[in-house]
Amino acid sequence: GQNIDQPTEMTATEGAIVQINCTYQTSGFNGLFWYQQHAGEAPTFLSYNVLDGLEEKGRFSSFLSRSKGYSYLLLKELQMKDSASYLCAVRSLNMNSGGYQKVTFGTGTKLQVIP
Amino acid sequence: DTGVSQDPRHKITKRGQNVTFRCDPISEHNRLYWYRQTLGQGPEFLTYFQNEAQLEKSRLLSDRFSAERPKGSFSTLEIQRTEQGDSAMYLCASSLSDRVSGNTIYFGEGSWLTVV
Repeated sequence: GQNIDQPTEMTATEGAIVQINCTYQTSGFNGLFWYQQHAGEAPTFLSYNVLDGLEEKGRFSSFLSRSKGYSYLLLKELQMKDSASYLCAVRSLNMNSGGYQKVTFGTGTKLQVIP
Repeated sequence: DTGVSQDPRHKITKRGQNVTFRCDPISEHNRLYWYRQTLGQGPEFLTYFQNEAQLEKSRLLSDRFSAERPKGSFSTLEIQRTEQGDSAMYLCASSLSDRVSGNTIYFGEGSWLTVV
């Protein structure tokens, strides 16, 4: 099975930096995604990591350590519009289903940005 | 708009009625997924298609749920004899199986179901 853990809620100040952690346990690991989801809306893709290290994309960066089963999403220069849920999702390879790569989501971290 | 589209966006139905949701994936995406999401939770996997073949179905899905993708393009998700516990947002997503995109999943806007 798969297990994905991330904090339920976080609060940070506008202009600051926040790090959202995600730990996972899975077999056949084949990539990790971060999605942003505003209330009542669909998740939107932020980042994808399959190799160890840091991927930077503007104000957002994502880090992966496969040996530790750990990832984090780093948000810099926080803006009020960054208030949303951030979903960690793990892809795993299922060879019993024609190589199907199942993507399982965590419960999400609700980030509140305050002035 | 060339994203994933879902219809209807909102559905209110009486308990015991059947409902059907439609999903049109991004053009040329060969993989299509259905997820269900309730308040405060992450998306929960329901089923997955590669082209027209349904390759995996969640064990959490009862026999009242059925999904099809007859021509490998659009898909439908039907819920029979709805129950109040079926109230949720049903998300459709699609992806392209190539190394460049990393099989990134793109979601539609979701279909909200309320069973009264």
